[in-house]
Amino acid sequence: GENVEQHPSTLSVQEGDSAVIKCTYSDSASNYFPWYKQELGKRPQLIIDIRSNVGEKKDQRIAVTLNKTAKHFSLHITETQPEDSAVYFCAAGGGGGNKLTFGTGTQLKVEL
Amino acid sequence: NAGVMQNPRHLVRRRGQEARLRCSPMKGHSHVYWYRQLPEEGLKFMVYLQKENIIDESGMPKERFSAEFPKEGPSILRIQQVVRGDSAAYFCASSPRQENTEAFFGQGTRLTVV
Repeated sequence: GENVEQHPSTLSVQEGDSAVIKCTYSDSASNYFPWYKQELGKRPQLIIDIRSNVGEKKDQRIAVTLNKTAKHFSLHITETQPEDSAVYFCAAGGGGGNKLTFGTGTQLKVEL
Repeated sequence: NAGVMQNPRHLVRRRGQEARLRCSPMKGHSHVYWYRQLPEEGLKFMVYLQKENIIDESGMPKERFSAEFPKEGPSILRIQQVVRGDSAAYFCASSPRQENTEAFFGQGTRLTVV
């Protein structure tokens, strides 16, 4: 089955700096890669997703890149703000039904 | 359009009791997924259901766990004879069709086994 690895597990940045989180996946049949933000005690919320027919997607301060050959994808957050502090999960899906395989999460802390 | 509704939000059960978790998908969504999140860990897939059908239960423990999504009413995740290791947050997600679509998550049910 699919295996998703995510790094780093924790990330601290200064407000205004950029943050990058990286994930790798194992199943070449996976073709859908969402990113979720989860605040403490709350549900995961989709912030951006990318499908395998594109290499990059951007939405305001958030961008995701996908390298299918290398089987890795990354989340980029620019001009970070304190409200960006949360746990971020990458996921991969589409290779076997519609279930998602999640990474282990990155605790992002944006410091003033 | 109400989001994915899960209840209860918090559930406390003694060891050996049964836990029933409910999930009503978003209006128009016929695909339901259950995930389990242990403290400070990621989400693990458990089961994928459509109305009256279990499509993929590869993530479900072989014993004590079952799930259903009847023609009428919410999807139910049932855990029999709970043990302390079952304590976790259980999230339900729904989507409108099968492939490559956004899954919307409910608020989760936090199960505590004492």
